[in-house]
Amino acid sequence: GQQLNQSPQSMFIQEGEDVSMNCTSSSIFNTWLWYKQDPGEGPVLLIALYKAGELTSNGRLTAQFGITRKDSFLNISASIPSDVGIYFCAGQPGTGNQFYFGTGTSLTVIP
Amino acid sequence: DAGVIQSPRHEVTEMGQEVTLRCKPISGHNSLFWYRQTMMRGLELLIYFNNNVPIDDSGMPEDRFSAKMPNASFSTLKIQPSEPRDSAVYFCASRGGGGLGYGYTFGSGTRLTVV
Repeated sequence: GQQLNQSPQSMFIQEGEDVSMNCTSSSIFNTWLWYKQDPGEGPVLLIALYKAGELTSNGRLTAQFGITRKDSFLNISASIPSDVGIYFCAGQPGTGNQFYFGTGTSLTVIP
Repeated sequence: DAGVIQSPRHEVTEMGQEVTLRCKPISGHNSLFWYRQTMMRGLELLIYFNNNVPIDDSGMPEDRFSAKMPNASFSTLKIQPSEPRDSAVYFCASRGGGGLGYGYTFGSGTRLTVV
């Protein structure tokens, strides 16, 4: 299957700081998604990106579809304790129905 | 909308027993996916269905795993016989039609422990 590498693997930040994470692929994707997973729950969709260069925001979250179509970025501004969780990227190559998921970035926000 | 509903939320079973996980997708969604999540391997796609038909089951670990979708509102994932290495969180997700780019909606998962 497709390999999606997320970095960093984990982050420990102070409340109020901004967060940046990224996802890279060896293949071109036509759609990128960003999910957040809270403990004991399933991943929840945060942002969807549909074309190269697209920049989309959802509150304090901003995600970008990389120009090369092989990467995507997620930024969280002014982090708060409820931002804690695991963030996953997912990419769809454009053929078939399947999304491939990244390895996840675990975020801890210290009050 | 009740979302994707999975049952049970937790299952503890003895090695060798049969385990059946259940999923009710969102009404109107025509694709259904079964994922397994572990610390070591992350989210792995096991199988997915379009319009109740299995499309890709290449992620199913071995013959002990089987999945069915008898109708648009119900799917099962069965493990028989179960083994300790099957312990994981199993997620069901569904997706609506309408072209590319529609993200999955996940259920809350079933945490399976095989002892």
